[in-house]
Amino acid sequence: DAGVTQSPTHLIKTRGQHVTLRCSPISGHKSVSWYQQVLGQGPQFIFQYYEKEERGRGNFPDRFSARQFPNYSSELNVNALLLGDSALYLCASLKGGEANEQFFGPGTRLTVL
Amino acid sequence: TQLLEQSPQFLSIQEGENLTVYCNSSSVFSSLQWYRQEPGEGPVLLVTVVTGGEVKKLKRLTFQFGDARKDSSLHITAAQTGDTGLYLCAGENFGNEKLTFGTGTRLTIIP
Repeated sequence: DAGVTQSPTHLIKTRGQHVTLRCSPISGHKSVSWYQQVLGQGPQFIFQYYEKEERGRGNFPDRFSARQFPNYSSELNVNALLLGDSALYLCASLKGGEANEQFFGPGTRLTVL
Repeated sequence: TQLLEQSPQFLSIQEGENLTVYCNSSSVFSSLQWYRQEPGEGPVLLVTVVTGGEVKKLKRLTFQFGDARKDSSLHITAAQTGDTGLYLCAGENFGNEKLTFGTGTRLTIIP
């Protein structure tokens, strides 16, 4: 079975541009979360989607948006990129159940120049 | 804002030694998860603890959830070079599937 897949693996953009990152969850998982991990820190929660509905949003500006498609894949969009948006963007697929274990993809490394 | 503080931030020890990593918060969590992350990869789930006072063992790794569900520890016995990595604790809140991650402990095992 395929795990969580993310694309692209690496991306270089310049300030002011926009970017779209993609994620496919584990087959059978209906929920996806997005996290930003700045170098040297733990991941920070950005969004969670379940059945195409937003269920949670972290403390990020409106430049960050996301959506989930009928096949449960998801996109994270970031507009008007800033240097500080450079980070590893992680997508997590949620299993559900008593303790909501989250399975992470390899991430997309975004560098903003 | 809920915070999870991990200590130590960096740890470098010889192969074969024992170590403990701590994860502390002033907030209560419904469950706590431990992850290990290799450079350039996403975090990999090691264990989830749910009940206050719970102890789980995974080979040479022992995880404990505090009685009040505010803190946790990870103990590694006879560390091996393959244990090298970034260890992250993450708390989950009641009725909210958002994970709050700790600051991380970067562990290096020296051969």
